[in-house]
Amino acid sequence: DAGVIQSPRHEVTEMGQEVTLRCKPISGHNSLFWYRQTMMRGLELLIYFNNNVPIDDSGMPEDRFSAKMPNASFSTLKIQPSEPRDSAVYFCASSFLGGVNSYEQYFGPGTRLTVT
Amino acid sequence: GQNIDQPTEMTATEGAIVQINCTYQTSGFNGLFWYQQHAGEAPTFLSYNVLDGLEEKGRFSSFLSRSKGYSYLLLKELQMKDSASYLCAVIGMNSGGYQKVTFGIGTKLQVIP
Repeated sequence: DAGVIQSPRHEVTEMGQEVTLRCKPISGHNSLFWYRQTMMRGLELLIYFNNNVPIDDSGMPEDRFSAKMPNASFSTLKIQPSEPRDSAVYFCASSFLGGVNSYEQYFGPGTRLTVT
Repeated sequence: GQNIDQPTEMTATEGAIVQINCTYQTSGFNGLFWYQQHAGEAPTFLSYNVLDGLEEKGRFSSFLSRSKGYSYLLLKELQMKDSASYLCAVIGMNSGGYQKVTFGIGTKLQVIP
């Protein structure tokens, strides 16, 4: 299995631009998580989906952030407009809730976002 | 809300044993994880505890006391490759009634020769 796939791996953009991050979870997993990691705040859960349905988006910082999961094999996290304080590493993770190791999450390699 | 505390940095010697502590406060506790994260890489799962006691997995062990809101990760026979950040994460209930995973800031472990 290829594991969780994220693209792009690095993104540099100017303030005000739209940014779209993409994630392909592990085939067969039914839950998908988006995290943001910074030195100051550590790893923060932004939103998670179960069976393609958003379950908890309380971690999404503000309306500039939105996430979708149109099908079981693809999700996007969009920031519009982007701001310098959004600079961070964004991780996508997937798991199979309901299985023996329900809470073992598999993380993608992350997208390092820099907003100038 | 949820609150997790763990030391920010630790140093230990190759071949030794190190214990990384984690204390937490949460409502609706439903388990605690430990993840390892090497610099510039993604976190990888180490352990999951939901009942009190010690879970051993090779050189790594994780302990949980739910009444004390306390866990530790024990690393034995330290190797240089164990230099990494170790993240404690708790599953609890948020204000909306959903289960939520909250990560600690991580403990950066440096293993020295």
